[in-house]
Amino acid sequence: GQQLNQSPQSMFIQEGEDVSMNCTSSSIFNTWLWYKQDPGEGPVLLIALYKAGELTSNGRLTAQFGITRKDSFLNISASIPSDVGIYFCAGLSHPGAGSYQLTFGKGTKLSVIP
Amino acid sequence: DGGITQSPKYLFRKEGQNVTLSCEQNLNHDAMYWYRQDPGQGLRLIYYSQIVNDFQKGDIAEGYSVSREKKESFPLTVTSAQKNPTAFYLCATEGQGSNEQFFGPGTRLTVL
Repeated sequence: GQQLNQSPQSMFIQEGEDVSMNCTSSSIFNTWLWYKQDPGEGPVLLIALYKAGELTSNGRLTAQFGITRKDSFLNISASIPSDVGIYFCAGLSHPGAGSYQLTFGKGTKLSVIP
Repeated sequence: DGGITQSPKYLFRKEGQNVTLSCEQNLNHDAMYWYRQDPGQGLRLIYYSQIVNDFQKGDIAEGYSVSREKKESFPLTVTSAQKNPTAFYLCATEGQGSNEQFFGPGTRLTVL
């Protein structure tokens, strides 16, 4: 099946620093979604990207849909302690008529040092 | 208050027992999904349903069963045939034509 390579697996940053994480694949995706998951909770949708090259912001978060449609990145500017959590990318593809598949990366665990 | 409800939050069962996890939504979404999450892993699709009375197997359906008798409800049964049932189970919904999935709070199942 399709796979997404999400990196880095984990990162420790100082409060106030910017953060960057990305997802890459050998497969083409039609939509990219970025989620954040707090411990013991369900993932919360942060940003959805629908077009190759699209750059979308949500507050301090910025995400881009790669021009090749095989990758996406998420940036967080001026990190704060509540940014701590696991960030997941998910790519949507259409393997056949009337069907589609959402594939998740394994997540990037972000720790923010006050 | 709109949203997705999963209950209970924590569930303990003895090995060999079937257990049913609840997922209810009042978002009027057509599609509903069940995922399994293990530590350090991404989400893996168990079953999904795009419409009432219809559902499809995901990537790891063995040992699980579902039903979709009502639009609002998509319960998941973890059967004794599931070899390693201890995990965090997440239910998600998607509005028609949306391509965006929204998740419930999850149920952590521990089989003793």
